[in-house]
Amino acid sequence: AQRVTQPEKLLSVFKGAPVELKCNYSYSGSPELFWYVQYSRQRLQLLLRHISRESIKGFTADLNKGETSFHLKKPFAQEEDSAMYYCALNGKLTFGQGTILTVHP
Amino acid sequence: EPEVTQTPSHQVTQMGQEVILRCVPISNHLYFYWYRQILGQKVEFLVSFYNNEISEKSEIFDDQFSVERPDGSNFTLKIRSTKLEDSAMYFCAITSGNYAETQYFGPGTRLLVL
Repeated sequence: AQRVTQPEKLLSVFKGAPVELKCNYSYSGSPELFWYVQYSRQRLQLLLRHISRESIKGFTADLNKGETSFHLKKPFAQEEDSAMYYCALNGKLTFGQGTILTVHP
Repeated sequence: EPEVTQTPSHQVTQMGQEVILRCVPISNHLYFYWYRQILGQKVEFLVSFYNNEISEKSEIFDDQFSVERPDGSNFTLKIRSTKLEDSAMYFCAITSGNYAETQYFGPGTRLLVL
């Protein structure tokens, strides 16, 4: 069975501070990992996926197979980053619980 | 980015009634997915649909649920006899290519069963 864990339901930071949203997964095969974001009153949308190794809106995420983690990081958070963030695994997406990020001015 | 619409945006129904939720991709896509999110809980996979048949389904997707593409474009999720616990947000998602590609989500249908 595959599982995704996001240990933090809520995360608050101040503008300009670094932010890290944690994600751990459980999967016996080679994982495909994604971060999806849902801004207020908008649909779920892809933020980034590990295979593309892109940096989107200043966010990066590195797959660590040894620690089975795919943490999302941004060095300087902005107020517009406030949203719900979901880590997800594989084609038939298995989602984590989600983390609500609030960036205070 | 592919666009997906869902209708209705909200639906209120009585327990035991049938509901049909619709997903309309703007362009041709191969893979379709339904997810649901009960209030306060995580997004859960229900079913994937490829080449006009179910490719995978979760244990949630029991005999009360069915999916089809009746006219080759709309993708529907039917719940035959709704239960209170079916109250949730239902999301459709599509991909244009491989199974593990980026999924593009619709805005969701909020279903309330009374």
